[in-house]
Amino acid sequence: DVKVTQSSRYLVKRTGEKVFLECVQDMDHENMFWYRQDPGLGLRLIYFSYDVKMKEKGDIPEGYSVSREKKERFSLILESASTNQTSMYLCASSSTGRGNYGYTFGSGTRLTVV
Amino acid sequence: AQSVTQPDIHITVSEGASLELRCNYSYGATPYLFWYVQSPGQGLQLLLKYFSGDTLVQGIKGFEAEFKRSQSSFNLRKPSVHWSDAAEYFCAVGARSGGSQGNLIFGKGTKLSVKP
Repeated sequence: DVKVTQSSRYLVKRTGEKVFLECVQDMDHENMFWYRQDPGLGLRLIYFSYDVKMKEKGDIPEGYSVSREKKERFSLILESASTNQTSMYLCASSSTGRGNYGYTFGSGTRLTVV
Repeated sequence: AQSVTQPDIHITVSEGASLELRCNYSYGATPYLFWYVQSPGQGLQLLLKYFSGDTLVQGIKGFEAEFKRSQSSFNLRKPSVHWSDAAEYFCAVGARSGGSQGNLIFGKGTKLSVKP
């Protein structure tokens, strides 16, 4: 089975801290995605990447950056955490080698910024 | 614009009753279609997907969904709901080709509660 692993299930950080959320997938997927999920707002795309060192802004990139130095790893960076970034963060990966097979998701990281 | 609509934010059904969750999409062509389920505090798990062929697709946990091109719908059904089905359900669509291949558009989700 494809696995997408997010390094932390729960994180508590202070306002102004630089925060790294890590995501690793083990099936050589080309595409990786970061979403945040908030009640009533569904999933909102922050950033995605189609290949190593490539990144594209999603719908809500402000306050975030990403890094993809290796194919299997996609990191989300909160440059200066703020309380409005308290949320559930979901990483996903997919392959388009033979068409769109949909995403495989990690278990999520619940981030609280205090 | 491409979009996915799940009209019901929250549905409550009794255990053993049948279930139908609605999903409508707006897309330039027939997309790939997916249903995901999310248990509390967890990531999303794929229930089923439609690519082509038979418009009635079977998934895990006894779920099925029917693609209706004329209605741009992909409704999820289960004949008899179990208490463990209480979760949030997301419909999603994806492009068959082109530069956006690999990106999914998600609905906002339908939360299912199950009464004993």
